[in-house]
This record gives sequence, C-alpha cells and structure tokens, in this order.
Amino acid sequence: SQKIEQNSEALNIQEGKTATLTCNYTNYSPAYLQWYRQDPGRGPVFLLLIRENEKEKRKERLKVTFDTTLKQSLFHITASQPADSATYLCALYQAGTALIFGKGTTLSVSS
Amino acid sequence: GAVVSQHPSWVICKSGTSVKIECRSLDFQATTMFWYRQFPKQSLMLMATSNEGSKATYEQGVEKDKFLINHASLTLSTLTVTSAHPEDSSFYICSARTGKVSEGYTFGSGTRLTVV
Repeated sequence: SQKIEQNSEALNIQEGKTATLTCNYTNYSPAYLQWYRQDPGRGPVFLLLIRENEKEKRKERLKVTFDTTLKQSLFHITASQPADSATYLCALYQAGTALIFGKGTTLSVSS
Repeated sequence: GAVVSQHPSWVICKSGTSVKIECRSLDFQATTMFWYRQFPKQSLMLMATSNEGSKATYEQGVEKDKFLINHASLTLSTLTVTSAHPEDSSFYICSARTGKVSEGYTFGSGTRLTVV
C-alpha cells in the first residue's frame, strides 16, 4: 500500500529564512499531490496542488516541486515569518482512492 | 472560498452515551464528504466516505455500527459515535470537495471528542 513519509517531525528556522519540507512516497505516483497547513486544534487548510506531469508550482511565498523519479515533493516557504509556524501535511490523491496524508512536519519560525 | 462548517468544536460525554457531529458545506453542494480521525502527532486517518442518498463506505477496521454516518442532503453529513468509550476520544474532522481539483479538499474545523 502507498506510504508517505515526511521525514522531519519538526523544523526550526529563523525568520526570513527559507523553510524546506520533504514528502516522500513509496509506491505508485499519485495523480496529484497536495500540501495543507494545520494549526493546533483546527482542520487542515489547502495550500497548493501539483499534478504528476508538473515539475513546480508557486503561490506567493510558497513553492512546491514534484519529482516522480525520486518519488518526492519539496515544499518551500521563502522569507518565512513567525505566522508561518504550523504543521504542514503532504497528501496524495489517486483516482479511485482516498486522500492519503503524511504525519506532517511542525514548522517553528522564530523572530 | 468554499467553507465546511463542523459542529460541535468540542464535546465531553460519558462512557456509553452517543455523540453526533455535524458537517455542513455552506456555499457548495457536496455529494461526497469524508470523515477522518486524528490522534495526537499522527496523520489524518480516513474513517469513511459519506455519499449523499446512499450508504457510507467504511475503511477497513472501522466499525460501521459504532460510527453511524448519515448524508441526507447535499450539504449535510453527520457522524454519530454510538456507545462511546474512552478509546474513541480523538479529533474528528470532515471534509468535502467543491468539484474543482485545483481547490483541493475543504476541511471542517474539527471536533475534539473526550469520553470520560
């Protein structure tokens, strides 16, 4: 079965730096891969989606890359701010299956 | 953007009682809604897929008689935890899609259930 690994449980960086989060999957390449933000005690909020035939997607300070050869997605937050502190979840979607989530990486941005 | 409203946000109940959680799509119709459960520091685990007008599809290991799902309209799905036990204490979250792939899934704010 498909497994997702977000290899860092926690990531601490200084304000202004770029945060890079990693998502690896084990089996088939998903139709698309999504990134969500989750704050404590809240439901996830959709951030970005990238399709299997796309290499990179950007949205304001966010950038997602997708490498189907490495079975990996990288999620970047540039010019990070303390307000970016949250847990970021990687999720995979394949037609006919449910959205599968990783455990998430908790990002802490210190000022 | 699309909004999914989930109530209550938290509930404490006694062991053996039942609790109902509501999930509403406020500005779009959702023929399918999803119910997840999340334990501390764990990923969201899909419990069941709720289909409007038909029976829900449960994931392996989820007791359908314990977690009753009703999706009676295009904007409302409910999850009832019956005969709750302390091990059912968890964070329950519903979600739905607007139909546009580019918009991802929209999640409710979650319900923290504590069974005492």
